[in-house]
Amino acid sequence: GAGVSQSPRYKVAKRGQDVALRCDPISGHVSLFWYQQALGQGPEFLTYFQNEAQLDKSGLPSDRFFAERPEGSVSTLKIQRTQQEDSAVYLCASSLDLDYGYTFGSGTRLTVV
Amino acid sequence: DAKTTQPPSMDCAEGRAANLPCNHSTISGNEYVYWYRQIHSQGPQYIIHGLKNNETNEMASLIITEDRKSSTLILPHATLRDTAVYYCIVSPRNSGNTPLVFGKGTRLSVIA
Repeated sequence: GAGVSQSPRYKVAKRGQDVALRCDPISGHVSLFWYQQALGQGPEFLTYFQNEAQLDKSGLPSDRFFAERPEGSVSTLKIQRTQQEDSAVYLCASSLDLDYGYTFGSGTRLTVV
Repeated sequence: DAKTTQPPSMDCAEGRAANLPCNHSTISGNEYVYWYRQIHSQGPQYIIHGLKNNETNEMASLIITEDRKSSTLILPHATLRDTAVYYCIVSPRNSGNTPLVFGKGTRLSVIA
C-alpha cells in the first residue's frame, strides 16, 4: 500500500481484557517498529523487527505486552489483561532505508476503562 | 533518554520563516540529526536529516553548526498546516539496530 496502515483506529477495552493491534507496513520494508505515545508525550520505543526476527524488545513495559511478525510483513502487538496505564496511542513505523526515515501509521488509540 | 534539548513551544506568523532550534551537545561522530513532525492525531512524519553539512529538501532546510552541537530546522514560509510538534533526534545512520528516541519536541503554532 501507499503507507503504513494500522487497525483498529480506536479501541476501547475493559480492564483485564486482551487486545490485539495490527500493523500493515509498506510493502518491502524490512524494518518495523512499535512505539507507545502517552498524552502530551513523545513516542516511546517498544520493540523492533527486521523481517520476522524481533531484534529488540527492550521497550516493552511488561510481560503482558507481546509482538509478532511471523511472515516478515504484517505485525501484531498484543496486550494481555489490559490496565488503565496502558491507555495510549500505539504507533507502528516501517523503514526501507534510513535515508528516507521511518514512515509511521496514524496509530491506534487504546482506551482502557 | 533523548539526547536533544528543544524549547517546548514557539509561535510563528503565517508566511514568515519558522526557525526551530535544537541542542545536541553530546552528539557522537557517527550520529545524524533527524527531524520529524507530528500533526494532531497523526503519526510522526519524517522531514529531513543531516550529518554535518547543511541540507535542504522540499519541506525544510537543516542548518548544523560546525561543532555539530546544535542545529536549526527552517520552514521558509510557514503555513497554518505546519502547526505541529517538531522532534529533533540524534541517531546513528544505521539506525535499524538503534531505534529513534523521541523527546517532547517543540510545539509550533503558526498564527494567521
